Amino acid sequence: DGGITQSPKYLFRKEGQNVTLSCEQNLNHDAMYWYRQDPGQGLRLIYYSQIVNDFQKGDIAEGYSVSREKKESFPLTVTSAQKNPTAFYLCASMGGIHEQYFGPGTRLTVT
Amino acid sequence: LAKTTQPISMDSYEGQEVNITCSHNNIATNDYITWYQQFPSQGPRFIIQGYKTKVTNEVASLFIPADRKSSTLSLPRVSLSDTAVYYCLVGDTGGGNKLTFGTGTQLKVEL
Repeated sequence: DGGITQSPKYLFRKEGQNVTLSCEQNLNHDAMYWYRQDPGQGLRLIYYSQIVNDFQKGDIAEGYSVSREKKESFPLTVTSAQKNPTAFYLCASMGGIHEQYFGPGTRLTVT
Repeated sequence: LAKTTQPISMDSYEGQEVNITCSHNNIATNDYITWYQQFPSQGPRFIIQGYKTKVTNEVASLFIPADRKSSTLSLPRVSLSDTAVYYCLVGDTGGGNKLTFGTGTQLKVEL
């Protein structure tokens, strides 16, 4: 059963702690993406990777870091430098021309 | 980067046809137009994609005029379950596969 998995679905952290969000895909897609969505807003691109061991900053990369050591995995670390980390985080991979497949999302709450 | 402009919201009733228009005046020659649907607390889902003229699938139709500066997503006979946010995307011509979502159109379908 192919798709994208994100874990956990809900995540709670204390301010000042780094936290890593998982994203795994078995679709054999080269390109993967991380987006952030705030209530009532659209998606904003954090980072994207077109191939293993390579990634680029999106529009709001400050306070985030990623790695792409394997084709299947693209974890996102929300660092303590991110001033407003509470949000809904979505991971996606791309097959075809701009056809993105999204995971179920992780809702991060930092208090 | 081709910026897109959509209406913030639209209202409709069950059984009606809904047309959502997206403006993309700076679309480049190689850009495709893609539409996504998003329900609350879920990742967006691919609906339809086109380059020019008309594309139809089992869910929707996409109309693209000859100048390609706009596109219209047509949803025939909407139901309550079509209540969602609809995003129009145009491929980034700056190189690579960077995809940026706009704020989308909130469609509300009522009885």
